[in-house]
Amino acid sequence: DAKTTQPPSMDCAEGRAANLPCNHSTISGNEYVYWYRQIHSQGPQYIIHGLKNNETNEMASLIITEDRKSSTLILPHATLRDTAVYYCISSRDYGGSQGNLIFGKGTKLSVKP
Amino acid sequence: DARVTQTPRDKVTEMGQEVTMRCQPILGHNTVFWYRQTMMQGLELLAYFRNRAPLDDSGMPKDRFSAEMPDATLATLKIQPSEPRDSAVYFCASGNDGNYGYTFGSGTRLTVV
Repeated sequence: DAKTTQPPSMDCAEGRAANLPCNHSTISGNEYVYWYRQIHSQGPQYIIHGLKNNETNEMASLIITEDRKSSTLILPHATLRDTAVYYCISSRDYGGSQGNLIFGKGTKLSVKP
Repeated sequence: DARVTQTPRDKVTEMGQEVTMRCQPILGHNTVFWYRQTMMQGLELLAYFRNRAPLDDSGMPKDRFSAEMPDATLATLKIQPSEPRDSAVYFCASGNDGNYGYTFGSGTRLTVV
């Protein structure tokens, strides 16, 4: 699975959009981009995933560049409860489900009042 | 919401003792993971089961760790003998074909003294 690169930390003002970048320049054609987050002392939580097209759900939006070498997770109106470590992971699709997830160090997002 | 249940939540044990951690995946899920998290190493994949068969346990120290799924409702991770360097939070996660996004449990915090 391709390696991803994320900034170690970011700050965001409460109520503003949080844009978290991820570089996955070696991603292959059958690898999806997944985002998880981990709030302090809890298990990781799935947020969203995508292959080529931009995706949106109730939690976030995922923007993937046309060359698929990078992506951005957008939390449209960040709240204090969004303070967490955000992980960007690339993984192959296995018949409609994810393969194993290899977590990097992620981005620690701090949402400030 | 369906949950992945891990027991115990916390475990303190003496070096050399056997430790067994249990995980109840979400009913109907056919994929189970075990991860270990420490400050130094982050989230490390230990083992990966699909339809109760081990697919990948390359991340697990084989001499002291063992992972099994005696049935579809129970996954176990055993350490024998335990060592202080095994102190970590151990997470279990489950998922299902056609349903992207794995669900993680709350973890077992293991302290070996």
